[in-house]
Amino acid sequence: DADVTQTPRNRITKTGKRIMLECSQTKGHDRMYWYRQDPGLGLRLIYYSFDVKDINKGEISDGYSVSRQAQAKFSLSLESAIPNQTALYFCATSDQTSRLLGEQFFGPGTRLTVL
Amino acid sequence: GDSVTQMEGPVTLSEEAFLTINCTYTATGYPSLFWYVQYPGEGLQLLLKATKADDKGSNKGFEATYRKETTSFHLEKGSVQVSDSAVYFCALSEGTNAGKSTFGDGTTLTVKP
Repeated sequence: DADVTQTPRNRITKTGKRIMLECSQTKGHDRMYWYRQDPGLGLRLIYYSFDVKDINKGEISDGYSVSRQAQAKFSLSLESAIPNQTALYFCATSDQTSRLLGEQFFGPGTRLTVL
Repeated sequence: GDSVTQMEGPVTLSEEAFLTINCTYTATGYPSLFWYVQYPGEGLQLLLKATKADDKGSNKGFEATYRKETTSFHLEKGSVQVSDSAVYFCALSEGTNAGKSTFGDGTTLTVKP
């Protein structure tokens, strides 16, 4: 079984709709991240959380919100989707053991299309 | 702030050719450096890492050496295979940023038989 899972894997929606992307992990890691990937732009950090009570904005948080429901779950919401939010979204985790090394563990991604 | 600059792609090679993907970085402290690989339809996975100057990371025939004097971490492989076709990301993480990573834009490698 995958250590970091994301649902849904693919989603097509319309402008103005509310969308939630979910991430779950069985690695027991404290830290979780949401990124978006666009062609030629690499990975850009949307939000990150270092524990259940800690939420931080990344470099491109506008138009997104997150919820850390439990250590193992970190959800990303688009309150009113717009076409330029069409992208591949990744969840990632890391833990304090590897904190100084900075290694992150990624989910398989969610491909979101906003029409 | 921190930044990572990767060689622009795409890169197309024939099987058994030598591969180099350049990566340079800017950081305020002493970062750890990483190469991640993303196969089609999958998430990123760690390929190799180095945590201090002159360390060499290696895995699956790939190597990269942490060069502090040139702020570089170039990825190399002596003989690529078709199965190496993927997107490669260089990344850094600084302890002062407590686990946040900075990624390059990615380099797409296609290996032809």
